[in-house]
Amino acid sequence: EAQVTQNPRYLITVTGKKLTVTCSQNMNHEYMSWYRQDPGLGLRQIYYSMNVEVTDKGDVPEGYKVSRKEKRNFPLILESPSPNQTSLYFCASSFTTSGEQYFGPGTRLTVT
Amino acid sequence: AQKITQTQPGMFVQEKEAVTLDCTYDTSDQSYGLFWYKQPSSGEMIFLIYQGSYDEQNATEGRYSLNFQKARKSANLVISASQLGDSAMYFCAMRDTGSGGSNYKLTFGKGTLLTVNP
Repeated sequence: EAQVTQNPRYLITVTGKKLTVTCSQNMNHEYMSWYRQDPGLGLRQIYYSMNVEVTDKGDVPEGYKVSRKEKRNFPLILESPSPNQTSLYFCASSFTTSGEQYFGPGTRLTVT
Repeated sequence: AQKITQTQPGMFVQEKEAVTLDCTYDTSDQSYGLFWYKQPSSGEMIFLIYQGSYDEQNATEGRYSLNFQKARKSANLVISASQLGDSAMYFCAMRDTGSGGSNYKLTFGKGTLLTVNP
């Protein structure tokens, strides 16, 4: 089954404790992206990747890192999480930048 | 200025009636794409419909159609024959090159919460 998977689905952590949210797709998509969703703000792009080893900042990259060492994986790293990073995070992928983006199920992160 | 504007925070429609969700956009690109996504209360993001800037015909997908008016920079979603299962948040999104770079970005509006009444 073609899909985008994210782990964990739910995470509660404390300020400053490094964490990684994994994202993997099995559709051989070149384009991958991370978004955060906050009430009243819609989805905002954090980082995106056009292909392996090619990443770029989205609209809200501060406090986040990404890597794209393999085509299928695009982990999101929070080196020192803060409470303002409490949010619902989505990973998405598409075959090209112009194509439909397939979304993962979301990761609900709470930073206390 | 917002790149994607959805002016209707919430909309109500009677079951079996049609409803239009508004979306206006702002870009200086000649080539861009417009998307609509549905997010039910369960949280997943479901792709509904896509319109390319060079497409001359309005996109349609089953009960969904996109009313694309390029000169007015609007891309309204029309849902015909509403069903109770259509109750959800709907997001309009645009793919363009952002601030003049060569990479493409997807920018979302803030969404419209649609409630279908029986």
